[in-house]
Amino acid sequence: EAGVAQSPRYKIIEKRQSVAFWCNPISGHATLYWYQQILGQGPKLLIQFQNNGVVDDSQLPKDRFSAERLKGVDSTLKIQPAKLEDSAVYLCASSLLRRTTTYEQYFGPGTRLTVT
Amino acid sequence: RKEVEQDPGPFNVPEGATVAFNCTYSNSASQSFFWYRQDCRKEPKLLMSVYSSGNEDGRFTAQLNRASQYISLLIRDSKLSDSATYLCVVNAPGGYNKLIFGAGTRLAVHP
Repeated sequence: EAGVAQSPRYKIIEKRQSVAFWCNPISGHATLYWYQQILGQGPKLLIQFQNNGVVDDSQLPKDRFSAERLKGVDSTLKIQPAKLEDSAVYLCASSLLRRTTTYEQYFGPGTRLTVT
Repeated sequence: RKEVEQDPGPFNVPEGATVAFNCTYSNSASQSFFWYRQDCRKEPKLLMSVYSSGNEDGRFTAQLNRASQYISLLIRDSKLSDSATYLCVVNAPGGYNKLIFGAGTRLAVHP
């Protein structure tokens, strides 16, 4: 079974530039997550989709970050404009979903973003 | 107070040693608990779920104390391949499968 795919794997940009990341979840997984992992910290949830609807974006800096999941499959996360503190690994994850059970989340390899 | 707190380590242990990691969580309404493993420059992967009665998977034993809001992971007979960061993870009550990750405890096993 194919895992979660992400691209690009690495990206270096200058501050104030824009960048976009792409994620393709495991087939059949209705829930998709974007996390930010800063060096030395655990992953922090940015946004969570259930099919193509947003169920949690409480920690997404909406003045510069945006995400979409058209057709309930692939997703893109965009940063515009980037700041130095956005340097991190951006992880995409997917899972099955039932309200009464917490399902395992499967992570992609991540995109390592460096903002200079 | 952080929602999930862990000792960052690093824990440097010789092969064959027994090592224990501790974790505390702040929301008493959390119902699901996990340990994830993250190798250097890799993505996190589920190591094991943690059940109220405690559970074991080979050399790994996880314990949960709901009264103290405390989770532990014990690794027996450490192997070189156990070197990684171990993330304590708790579900966010009321969320749609939302997980809260601790910062992780780094383990280095040496020959």
